[in-house]
Amino acid sequence: DAKTTQPPSMDCAEGRAANLPCNHSTISGNEYVYWYRQIHSQGPQYIIHGLKNNETNEMASLIITEDRKSSTLILPHATLRDTAVYYCINTGNQFYFGTGTSLTVIP
Amino acid sequence: DARVTQTPRHKVTEMGQEVTMRCQPILGHNTVFWYRQTMMQGLELLAYFRNRAPLDDSGMPKDRFSAEMPDATLATLKIQPSEPRDSAVYFCASGPDPFPETQYFGPGTRLLVL
Repeated sequence: DAKTTQPPSMDCAEGRAANLPCNHSTISGNEYVYWYRQIHSQGPQYIIHGLKNNETNEMASLIITEDRKSSTLILPHATLRDTAVYYCINTGNQFYFGTGTSLTVIP
Repeated sequence: DARVTQTPRHKVTEMGQEVTMRCQPILGHNTVFWYRQTMMQGLELLAYFRNRAPLDDSGMPKDRFSAEMPDATLATLKIQPSEPRDSAVYFCASGPDPFPETQYFGPGTRLLVL
């Protein structure tokens, strides 16, 4: 079953980089890795996705290991507004969001 | 700024009543998803459509739930009859080609069944 695993919670100091890991050891060669976040009581928000190359956009960077079994979402300068639950999914698992990582950015 | 809209935003109803939730996907997005979120189960995929045709509704209780897309600008999720265990936040999302998994979520409908 192609699900992802993430740590349940993390803290990060405001202004520092937040590095959120995700394991997707059963991912297949043509399946993408997607990251979303959900701020309390809002709908999830798309952040970034990738296949095998590292990706960067205005919100974050995505680093995918060469074997594609894991990835890391990087928020380069975390702010208080980045406090949210972050979900890593891959397109082979029928959009299973799991429980994600609850990131708390501390002032 | 294109957004997915959902109505109603809040719904309180009594057990046994019919509930209809509506979603307007982003114009041009050909894939539409319905999710349910509870504290216990998290975010669960109920069904999704591509070009208005249902592709997967295996996450949906078939005896009481139904999902349709009467046209490209409207998706509906109905519960009949509703039960207290249906209390949850229901999210609609839409996704563009060629990456429909890049989902844009609506604000959700918060349903409470008494």
